Amino acid sequence: DVKVTQSSRYLVKRTGEKVFLECVQDMDHENMFWYRQDPGLGLRLIYFSYDVKMKEKGDIPEGYSVSREKKERFSLILESASTNQTSMYLCASRLRGVRKDAGELFFGEGSRLTVL
Amino acid sequence: AQTVTQSQPEMSVQEAETVTLSCTYDTSESDYYLFWYKQPPSRQMILVIRQEAYKQQNATENRFSVNFQKAAKSFSLKISDSQLGDAAMYFCAYSAGTASKLTFGTGTRLQVTL
Repeated sequence: DVKVTQSSRYLVKRTGEKVFLECVQDMDHENMFWYRQDPGLGLRLIYFSYDVKMKEKGDIPEGYSVSREKKERFSLILESASTNQTSMYLCASRLRGVRKDAGELFFGEGSRLTVL
Repeated sequence: AQTVTQSQPEMSVQEAETVTLSCTYDTSESDYYLFWYKQPPSRQMILVIRQEAYKQQNATENRFSVNFQKAAKSFSLKISDSQLGDAAMYFCAYSAGTASKLTFGTGTRLQVTL
């Protein structure tokens, strides 16, 4: 089974702190994603990566950056956390290009971040 | 830009009954994928069912089936013989291709009552 592991289930940070959210997948997936989940807004894409060292902005990239130095790891960085970044963050991965399995995302358990 | 709309924030169904969750989407693509994902309380999001736009036949997975109306851009999920374990948030999602990002709707919270 594919396993996507997010390093922290719950985090509490202060405004202005730098925050790192780590995600690791064990199935050699090329594509990795960071979504943010808020009540009433569903999942919104922050950043995604098609391969090592490659990244593309999603729908709400402002205030975030990402790093993908190794294929299995995709990190989300909040350079200076703000209260409006309090949210649930979901990491996901996917195999690329195989039609039979196309599109299915495998999700981590989520990281609930509170910024005070 | 593609959009996915779920107009039912909450639904309720009695155990053993059938419920249908609605989803509409907007796209100019002819080949794409549609998904329903389930997120149980405090648990991971998992795929329920997938539909490829080029396939006319509606996808089914055990008690879960879809009604895919391509011309109307509608993709509803039917859950038959509802069980307590079906209680969850359900998200409809769209992907333009095998390597494209997924765009999600706002979700429908399904409650299953005895």
